[in-house]
Amino acid sequence: DVKVTQSSRYLVKRTGEKVFLECVQDMDHENMFWYRQDPGLGLRLIYFSYDVKMKEKGDIPEGYSVSREKKERFSLILESASTNQTSMYLCASRGTGEKLFFGSGTQLSVL
Amino acid sequence: GQNIDQPTEMTATEGAIVQINCTYQTSGFNGLFWYQQHAGEAPTFLSYNVLDGLEEKGRFSSFLSRSKGYSYLLLKELQMKDSASYLCAVNPGGNNRLAFGKGNQVVVIP
Repeated sequence: DVKVTQSSRYLVKRTGEKVFLECVQDMDHENMFWYRQDPGLGLRLIYFSYDVKMKEKGDIPEGYSVSREKKERFSLILESASTNQTSMYLCASRGTGEKLFFGSGTQLSVL
Repeated sequence: GQNIDQPTEMTATEGAIVQINCTYQTSGFNGLFWYQQHAGEAPTFLSYNVLDGLEEKGRFSSFLSRSKGYSYLLLKELQMKDSASYLCAVNPGGNNRLAFGKGNQVVVIP
């Protein structure tokens, strides 16, 4: 079965720190996604990528950037973390026409 | 834009049947997915509908009407472990991103 692995399950950072969230998938999927999930707001798409070095903004890209240097790896970067970026971050991958596979999530707290 | 509507919460008794509705208005349609998400965990895939009708998979069934922009997920013989949020997601086609509803929290009580 497809495996999507996120590097950290829980993360605590300080305001202003640069934060890297890593995601790796093992099924050669073209498409990878970063979501954040907050109570009452559901899943919101931050960025996605449909190929190596390609990226597109989702619904809430402000304060975030991404990197996809290799097909299996998609990184989310918080350039200068702020308290309103405290959230659950979910990575997902998908082949064309297939279902979305999610990683186990990273609960990020920014203090 | 894409609009996916789901009721926010429902409570049901163990052993009962519950129907979770989803209505959508999207720029296109290329399939609808249902996911289950337990608290603090990632969503897991339950079902996929692309044609009208009912898809049955054990205790879970999913129905789609494309002309009405409507789907439902039916959970039979409810168990305590079915307490979770159920997310409806539509593939509008085009760029491979899915549009998600906010999820319906189902609470199963003894």
